Amino acid sequence: DAGVTQSPTHLIKTRGQQVTLRCSPKSGHDTVSWYQQALGQGPQFIFQYYEEEERQRGNFPDRFSGHQFPNYSSELNVNALLLGDSALYLCASSWRTGLNTEAFFGQGTRLTVV
Amino acid sequence: GNSVTQMEGPVTLSEEAFLTINCTYTATGYPSLFWYVQYPGEGLQLLLKATKADDKGSNKGFEATYRKETTSFHLEKGSVQVSDSAVYFCALSDESGGGTSYGKLTFGQGTILTVHP
Repeated sequence: DAGVTQSPTHLIKTRGQQVTLRCSPKSGHDTVSWYQQALGQGPQFIFQYYEEEERQRGNFPDRFSGHQFPNYSSELNVNALLLGDSALYLCASSWRTGLNTEAFFGQGTRLTVV
Repeated sequence: GNSVTQMEGPVTLSEEAFLTINCTYTATGYPSLFWYVQYPGEGLQLLLKATKADDKGSNKGFEATYRKETTSFHLEKGSVQVSDSAVYFCALSDESGGGTSYGKLTFGQGTILTVHP
């Protein structure tokens, strides 16, 4: 089992550009959540996808959007990048209908905006 | 809204020393509480959890007790090892007592632990 995989591992973008990050959940998981972790801070919840719909959303602007595909994989899109969007973006997967299931995190994508 | 506050870090200890990392929370309802660990270059791993008041979570020698009266979930280990060096995050989930962590997790700012031989 490959666990949660994220791609790419690192990327550098210019202010104003758009970026797409990708996540494949752990086998058997149907729910994907995205978090932003700024340097020296704890992860901040962006949103969660289940059954291809956004189910919960944190305090992030509409520039942050996402998608979940029928195979449960997910994308995070950020438009009009700002310098402040530089962070580690973490994807977590879980099994929504299971009791006492753990959320598994990927290793993250390090985004640098210059 | 929900929030989690961890003790100011970083924490530096010698091997076999006793570890305490303080964590307090603010939440409505009855959250589940978690400790996650992040080793260098890796993602977050669940270390332990507690789903209701007075529950004690434990794993790999680490323990934490869910104290509703003091809204705390302090992490302890009796004898740390060099391999315990990592960043530790306290977190809560706003599910009510189910113990699942599939929902929105609210994290503290993290505590860097360095253990010297």
